[in-house]
Amino acid sequence: GESVGLHLPTLSVQEGDNSIINCAYSNSASDYFIWYKQESGKGPQFIIDIRSNMDKRQGQRVTVLLNKTVKHLSLQIAATQPGDSAVYFCAENYPSGATNKLIFGTGTLLAVQP
Amino acid sequence: GAGVSQSPSNKVTEKGKDVELRCDPISGHTALYWYRQSLGQGLEFLIYFQGNSAPDKSGLPSDRFSAERTGGSVSTLTIQRTQQEDSAVYLCASSLVWGGATTDTQYFGPGTRLTVL
Repeated sequence: GESVGLHLPTLSVQEGDNSIINCAYSNSASDYFIWYKQESGKGPQFIIDIRSNMDKRQGQRVTVLLNKTVKHLSLQIAATQPGDSAVYFCAENYPSGATNKLIFGTGTLLAVQP
Repeated sequence: GAGVSQSPSNKVTEKGKDVELRCDPISGHTALYWYRQSLGQGLEFLIYFQGNSAPDKSGLPSDRFSAERTGGSVSTLTIQRTQQEDSAVYLCASSLVWGGATTDTQYFGPGTRLTVL
């Protein structure tokens, strides 16, 4: 029968702590990366992006780090809040002709404990 | 401003029936994408429209799936002779592509949850 529940990597943190969500991407030629947040029953919501000519970009409470040498992307959330609880997806843009097609990771479930 | 909207939000159908899912992109966005998300899974690319160019249909899983985009705006994803394995959330996204840029942020709608009985 159909399996029930999510089979995602899960990161559990205490409210107020910093969170780090990691992502390994596939293609060394990928030139653009995005982090999305998806709350239950909603579509993915853009959080922050970074282009391949950068290695760090900061937003409000969030920082994205890009390590092209090892094809690794991370999302840091400062002072994590219960409202940050969601599934987080990284996505890479792999140039392929004229198609602007993102490749998404499988996601990480962030659970914030009050 | 208004974001990407999709309708219906939920659709329950019987195996073998056809369904149509609608997406209204953000006004002025020239690129539109359809994705499928199964329970607890990531996003699976289905099809991509960019302006007047021929769509990239490379992600469509079978010939039962088709999509069109009328007037460069609204898009409809049609699934013919639905099967139980088609049950998933179907997400639409749009992005603003300009000049020679080939990458741009995609903004997602809330999705249509399709259940095939």
